[in-house]
Amino acid sequence: DVKVTQSSRYLVKRTGEKVFLECVQDMDHENMFWYRQDPGLGLRLIYFSYDVKMKEKGDIPEGYSVSREKKERFSLILESASTNQTSMYLCASSFRGEDFFGQGTRLTVV
Amino acid sequence: AQSVTQLDSHVSVSEGTPVLLRCNYSSSYSPSLFWYVQHPNKGLQLLLKYTSAATLVKGINGFEAEFKKSETSFHLTKPSAHMSDAAEYFCVVRPRLYNFNKFYFGSGTKLNVKP
Repeated sequence: DVKVTQSSRYLVKRTGEKVFLECVQDMDHENMFWYRQDPGLGLRLIYFSYDVKMKEKGDIPEGYSVSREKKERFSLILESASTNQTSMYLCASSFRGEDFFGQGTRLTVV
Repeated sequence: AQSVTQLDSHVSVSEGTPVLLRCNYSSSYSPSLFWYVQHPNKGLQLLLKYTSAATLVKGINGFEAEFKKSETSFHLTKPSAHMSDAAEYFCVVRPRLYNFNKFYFGSGTKLNVKP
């Protein structure tokens, strides 16, 4: 079974902190994605990557950056966390139309 | 432009009665369409997908969806609801133009199943 693993299920961070959300997939997929999920808004794409060191902005990249140094790992970075970044963050990887999601990280910024 | 509209934010049915979750899409290209389910505190699970084969698509747990190009709809149905179907459901569209798998999510429909 394909596994997409997000390093934390729950995180609480302070305003202004630098936050790293890690995602690892074990099936050598090229495409990886970061979404945030908010009630009534569905999932919104933050960033995606289609290869190592390649990244593209999604629909809401402001306040975020990403890193893809190795194929299996895609990190989402909040340079200076703010309360409006409190959300559920979902990582996904895909290959030839098959998509796999991690369990999500619920981030609270206080 | 691509978009997905889920017409109901909440649907409530009684156990054993039919389920209908509505989804309309707009896409500049012939899209692939998906339904995902998310149970509380769980990740997203693929229910079914349409990729230009049969317009009636059968998925897991007795769900099915029909692609109607003339109506730009992809409604999700199940003949008889079960308590375990209570969850949030997302309709998703992926334009085939892209050679990477970018896709667009609807805002979700929460299904409540009453005993």
